[in-house]
Parts: sequence; C-alpha cells; structure tokens
Amino acid sequence: DQQVKQNSPSLSVQEGRISILNCDYTNSMFDYFLWYKKYPAEGPTFLISISSIKDKNEDGRFTVFLNKSAKHLSLHIVPSQPGDSAVYFCAASGSSGTYKYIFGTGTRLKVLA
Amino acid sequence: KAGVTQTPRYLIKTRGQQVTLSCSPISGHRSVSWYQQTPGQGLQFLFEYFSETQRNKGNFPGRFSGRQFSNSRSEMNVSTLELGDSALYLCASSLTVSGVLNEQFFGPGTRLTVL
Repeated sequence: DQQVKQNSPSLSVQEGRISILNCDYTNSMFDYFLWYKKYPAEGPTFLISISSIKDKNEDGRFTVFLNKSAKHLSLHIVPSQPGDSAVYFCAASGSSGTYKYIFGTGTRLKVLA
Repeated sequence: KAGVTQTPRYLIKTRGQQVTLSCSPISGHRSVSWYQQTPGQGLQFLFEYFSETQRNKGNFPGRFSGRQFSNSRSEMNVSTLELGDSALYLCASSLTVSGVLNEQFFGPGTRLTVL
C-alpha cells in the first residue's frame, strides 16, 4: 500500500518555464512534508518542506503547495533550469513519531535547454 | 564538515550470501536511518537507530538487520541474499530521532547487486 504517490514517473520542461511536480498521500496522520532532489550516484538532498499548518512555503525558485483536503502537495520550480534535472522525491511524516519518513516513488524531471 | 559516508559504494554478491554495509553519520548526528531504493518503489524505510537502539522499523523481513555503535556509526546486514535485494541502500543521519523539522542528510548509497 503506497501511502505517498507520485503518479508521474517523468516530466520534461523547457528551460525558463515552470515545472510542477505532484504528490498525493493517503494517510491523514501525515502532517509534515518534504521534497528531496536526487542526482545520479548521489544521495537525496533536502530541498524544501512544509508543515500542515501552512498551505504554502517558498524558498527562492521553489514553492511547495499543500492542499490538506485533497491530500495533495505540489512543488513548483520557476524558472526551471537545466541544473534542476534530477529525480524528485516527496516524503511525508507524522509528528507523533509513529510514522517515519514515507517516500514516494520519485519523478524524473528533465529541463531542456 | 564531512557528510554522510557509506562503504562500500558498490557490491556484487550471489544468492544465499550475506552482506554488511557501513554508514558513518555526520559528526554530532546521533540518528541513523536506512532506506532501500528500487525502481518503481522509491525509497522504502528499513530502520532507524538512535543511541545504539533501534527506534523504528519498516516492513522488511528479519533477514534485514542493523546495529549502531557508540560512535553513532551504523551497519546494516542482509542475510540469505535474494535477487530482489538488488537495490541502492541509502543511509541518512540526523541530529536526533527523525521526526518533524529534523532534517535527514543522505549518504551516496551502496549499490548492491545480487546475482
């Protein structure tokens, strides 16, 4: 049972345009969400997070939106750059400590120059 | 400050063998988590250690085990290897037990191939 789902395995975007990566979750106990970026032969690196008390968090070109009623979050990258090409994982956690980070299957983003 | 290191980076084993992977967390970090990454499954949580004690465990068979030493270094062991164990094994460290607002830092992983 995949509690965190990234239904798009890949996404291609033109340089300078917006990249939108989506993530859905099923467990209403999740209240903290993160996005990680992973380059080949490297471990995932933390990108941005959001707590369930917010519906938006912004850090430079990266913005994460959370829709709790829909159990959906998205990562927006504006403008997209070729260096953003990587696999993006969303992860969810519960503050109770019962739930460890549950990761999605990842979306491979390719930004075309 | 050195990052999370994992050894070896690549490993080839045959079915039935056992393997031990090692992880050294960032200096000062006391929590170490292990994940298995396979195509189509994403990162699946194996277990987490803090202060030499297993604090959380994922849904993996007992063939997967781990331990943590007093210097916070951790090892993961897989016995009776199966073909399906071929994966990238990632270790992540954090200051305290993972949870809200406690960022995990990942190592580069160990690529295990089981033939």
